[in-house]
Amino acid sequence: GAGVSQSPSNKVTEKGKDVELRCDPISGHTALYWYRQRLGQGLEFLIYFQGNSAPDKSGLPSDRFSAERTGESVSTLTIQRTQQEDSAVYLCASSVLQGEKLFFGSGTQLSVL
Amino acid sequence: DQQVKQNSPSLSVQEGRISILNCDYTNSMFDYFLWYKKYPAEGPTFLISISSIKDKNEDGRFTVFLNKSAKHLSLHIVPSQPGDSAVYFCAARNRGGSNYKLTFGKGTLLTVNP
Repeated sequence: GAGVSQSPSNKVTEKGKDVELRCDPISGHTALYWYRQRLGQGLEFLIYFQGNSAPDKSGLPSDRFSAERTGESVSTLTIQRTQQEDSAVYLCASSVLQGEKLFFGSGTQLSVL
Repeated sequence: DQQVKQNSPSLSVQEGRISILNCDYTNSMFDYFLWYKKYPAEGPTFLISISSIKDKNEDGRFTVFLNKSAKHLSLHIVPSQPGDSAVYFCAARNRGGSNYKLTFGKGTLLTVNP
């Protein structure tokens, strides 16, 4: 596609439910990243994929968070048993090579009630 | 521990004047710095970058200055235009094995008044 696509754009869920966020990177981009931005904060690194492998998961806040990437393309970020502190904008980005300029999607605004 | 700091949450300037956005960092392992611009309900978009081997990079109305000894960089926009109104994020990349990871500041909201 022309840019990084994320869905849904908005998600409202109840505390304790699981959510799945999707990212479709720019075709041909080998590197994929998930960041999140909580209200009033900067972007916080969550996880990085090179191809389908995730060499760095160090930013995932807890074991309720997981992510996978398939076909060196689409990635899903799953949050189990959501908590109110998970409320944030979740941003996906991709780049041709690691460390290169990142192209961001518009994000998923997650609200946990 | 914030490694990239943007101490001004907001800045307001008149159209046609210069906008100067500042950023400080603490990690001496950072070797590459970027500025991103973000409009509401959109993802950040890359604006301009600078390598640590340079002290200035210019692209049209945008210039980034790097002062390594002070661990400080700034983004100059001149002349400022109303369409420049957005949140500006400073980001830095680590030299070495984790060079895929960007560390972002909290952002500065720039408002350019007509």
